[in-house]
Amino acid sequence: EVQVLESGGGLVQPGGSLRLSCAASGFTFSTYAMSWVRQAPGKGLEWVSLIPGNSFGVSYADSVKGRFTISRDNSKNTLYLQMNSLRADDTAVYFCAKNSGHLWENYLFEYWGQGSLVTVSS
Amino acid sequence: HSVLTQPPSVSGAPGQSVTIACSGSSSNIEAGYHVHWYQQLPGTPPKLLIYANTNRPSGVPDRFSGSRSGTSASLAITGLQAEDEADYYCQSYDSGLRGWVFGGGTKVTVL
Repeated sequence: EVQVLESGGGLVQPGGSLRLSCAASGFTFSTYAMSWVRQAPGKGLEWVSLIPGNSFGVSYADSVKGRFTISRDNSKNTLYLQMNSLRADDTAVYFCAKNSGHLWENYLFEYWGQGSLVTVSS
Repeated sequence: HSVLTQPPSVSGAPGQSVTIACSGSSSNIEAGYHVHWYQQLPGTPPKLLIYANTNRPSGVPDRFSGSRSGTSASLAITGLQAEDEADYYCQSYDSGLRGWVFGGGTKVTVL
């Protein structure tokens, strides 16, 4: 059974940093791209970042480019999101998702974690 | 402001049918990129409902169906049930933004 479990969320002050982790199991982690998707309170879904299985060719939404860094450790089946220079509008539930699809552009978000809440406030 | 446009809400009585439209442009849906749909029940993460425009993952009832034509896609729910009350999101890729995009979401209410 595929499982992804996020951790590391919490309350952080504007300008601060936080690192999210996502532990994956039930599939060959290293062969799948993984993504972070966020959802602000009461709002819709926003794709944040994607990393291929071999970590080459990561991609970011413009809203987080230069501030967030996605990475993975295939030996630990774990995905990370380092978030720096956090702003109030980064407040959201951050979901880790396993990607699937034959072509980069046709990737879908096949399995989702329960999410980790990040609150940016003073 | 989402690149993919969905109606904020649709409603129907039990047993009726509803359709949710997802309107895009030449840089996403019309370019031929696949459209996928997700269902998000209250307080839960999204769940994949339709993939590659028209396909249902195992376990998804055949009351749910997807289609795509031109710059838009649609999700149809027939035989509406109380358990279908949820938020629904379309998703595709946008070549202009060079990233994956979601519609703003549609809340389905079963009257």
